[in-house]
Order: sequence, then C-alpha cells, then structure tokens
Amino acid sequence: DTAVSQTPKYLVTQMGNDKSIKCEQNLGHDTMYWYKQDSKKFLKIMFSYNNKELIINETVPNRFSPKSPDKAHLNLHINSLELGDSAVYFCASSQTLAAGSYNEQFFGPGTRLTVL
Amino acid sequence: DQQVKQNSPSLSVQEGRISILNCDYTNSMFDYFLWYKKYPAEGPTFLISISSIKDKNEDGRFTVFLNKSAKHLSLHIVPSQPGDSAVYFCAATRGNKLVFGAGTILRVKS
Repeated sequence: DTAVSQTPKYLVTQMGNDKSIKCEQNLGHDTMYWYKQDSKKFLKIMFSYNNKELIINETVPNRFSPKSPDKAHLNLHINSLELGDSAVYFCASSQTLAAGSYNEQFFGPGTRLTVL
Repeated sequence: DQQVKQNSPSLSVQEGRISILNCDYTNSMFDYFLWYKKYPAEGPTFLISISSIKDKNEDGRFTVFLNKSAKHLSLHIVPSQPGDSAVYFCAATRGNKLVFGAGTILRVKS
C-alpha cells in the first residue's frame, strides 16, 4: 500500500520526444508537488497543486506542464525533451494544516529520466 | 542563490558515536526547519523538524538544534547505527514551499 507512487521508475528517451510521468497518492492529501533533483543533487520545487489548483510555479521552462485530474493525481508532461532535462523527478504530497503548522511532505520513490 | 547550505558533502562516523550534521541558511523568514533522510532509489522521508521559535527538538536518538542568530542548525544522532547510513537533507520552509540543501552523505561504520 504505497503512499505516493510514481510511474515509470526509469525513463530513457531521445532528445525532442514528449514524455509523461504519473504520480498518485493514497493519503487523502490536498496538496501535491513536483521536485527535480539535478546532477548537483539539489532538490528543487517545480510545481505545487492544492485541490487541483496551481499554487506554486517556479521558474520552469513552459515545456513542462503539470496536470492534476483530481486531488490524488499530479502528472508531469514534458515536451521537446532536452539533454538538460535529465534528472530524478520526485512527486510529493501533504495535507494543509492550520496556519503556523508544518505540513509534512511525503515523497514518492522518484523517476530517473535520461535524455540521450 | 542557495538559501540552504550543507557544506559537508559527506561524514563518516563509527557505530555508537555521535553524528553531527550541519546546515546554514540565509533567509530569516523561514518558519520551519526540517531534516529528511534518503536511501538510494527511494524518495526522501521526513525525520525531524523544528519551529523557528524553538532552539531544540528531540525525538529518540535524533535532536535538532537551531541557532537563529547564526542562521545555523544541526542534527545530532546518538548513538549512530549502521542503518543511519543515508543522505541527509536539511530543508527550510515558508508556507508549503520546501527549500533543500544539497545533502550530506552519512556513513556509519560498524
């Protein structure tokens, strides 16, 4: 009973292709995120959705488009893949709590994307 | 602009001894600080947090200390166990946005 799952776990593709990574959480959380871990190992937030509404949109190329069909899913579509998109992408989820509380984020296992 | 910095890429400690992982930050508006632990091929898992209004939080073998004047926090693991070997990420948050450091690889030798 995986809490946050991502598919696929590994993705190898050619430059210029379009690909999608899927994320699902069964924790009943109302907020989901996408993070990118680059070659320098930094985890950086890309997007966040709360109840299917985009609330965080960092400086990410518009080739990246998140889609949230419902609260339990947040998919990441990437168009015209480039070599620099190679990274590990992590999905996460959390539940909004009262103001002043920390909302623990639960991470998926990651998707390693390799662009050739 | 790295708002959260972990200047030690790795740390090696003998089993049973104390592990001390350090983290510095630049943004005084962060309201929570956290440590996440990551094993290979897995996502980060939450370990312990501390509110910006506190200076210490303890949970079993793990204690986080916050020095706001120095913009510094540290994670102490006592006693260290081989199963603690992992990458430890320091993170800070304001609202829902988590800002991570680059991580420190901890190796606990038996």
